[in-house]
Amino acid sequence: AQKVTQAQTEISVVEKEDVTLDCVYETRDTTYYLFWYKQPPSGELVFLIRRNSFDEQNEISGRYSWNFQKSTSSFNFTITASQVVDSAVYFCALSEYETGANNLFFGTGTRLTVIP
Amino acid sequence: GAVVSQHPSWVICKSGTSVKIECRSLDFQATTMFWYRQFPKQSLMLMATSNEGSKATYEQGVEKDKFLINHASLTLSTLTVTSAHPEDSSFYICSANPGLSSSYNEQFFGPGTRLTVL
Repeated sequence: AQKVTQAQTEISVVEKEDVTLDCVYETRDTTYYLFWYKQPPSGELVFLIRRNSFDEQNEISGRYSWNFQKSTSSFNFTITASQVVDSAVYFCALSEYETGANNLFFGTGTRLTVIP
Repeated sequence: GAVVSQHPSWVICKSGTSVKIECRSLDFQATTMFWYRQFPKQSLMLMATSNEGSKATYEQGVEKDKFLINHASLTLSTLTVTSAHPEDSSFYICSANPGLSSSYNEQFFGPGTRLTVL
């Protein structure tokens, strides 16, 4: 069964618009970790955030914010006032505690294009 | 800290040749390293997990004899694509796990190696 679902394959927004990238996960573990990574055209994965399953507080970092909702198994990512440099593929990922970091399940990614 | 490098960053080779890709943890020791493969416009798929001093664990469907992994030291893992064919053309990404020194064993990713087989 797919563990991480990113239903949005591609999104295009105009610069300065806000955009939310959806992530829905599936796990039987009570302890798990969720991640967001950014992959710009260069290919290198850029770590954005890690959240453990016991911490449902939303987090804000500059123009980025994350909404973790265990009730709906979602970990959505919002970019406020998007910029052209935000154009990239964004991956949501899940790591289950029982398997530690040995199994990092990636979603299929959402390609974000910010149009100037 | 927690920097992982890969070499080469890109390589073009002829069909039938073997290609070696290196993954190094520059400022920490990695008991475990991971190799991922990413086809264009697709997600990262774990190929194998390598532990220092032992044999790699391959994911289902990954040919052990084709993708040779060696984790000879705590800072270096190598992936050798043997007798490469055009279908092996892909973006190969490694990651490293600091191991017991971390409160949570997370993975730090290298910049990737783009392999093109002609």
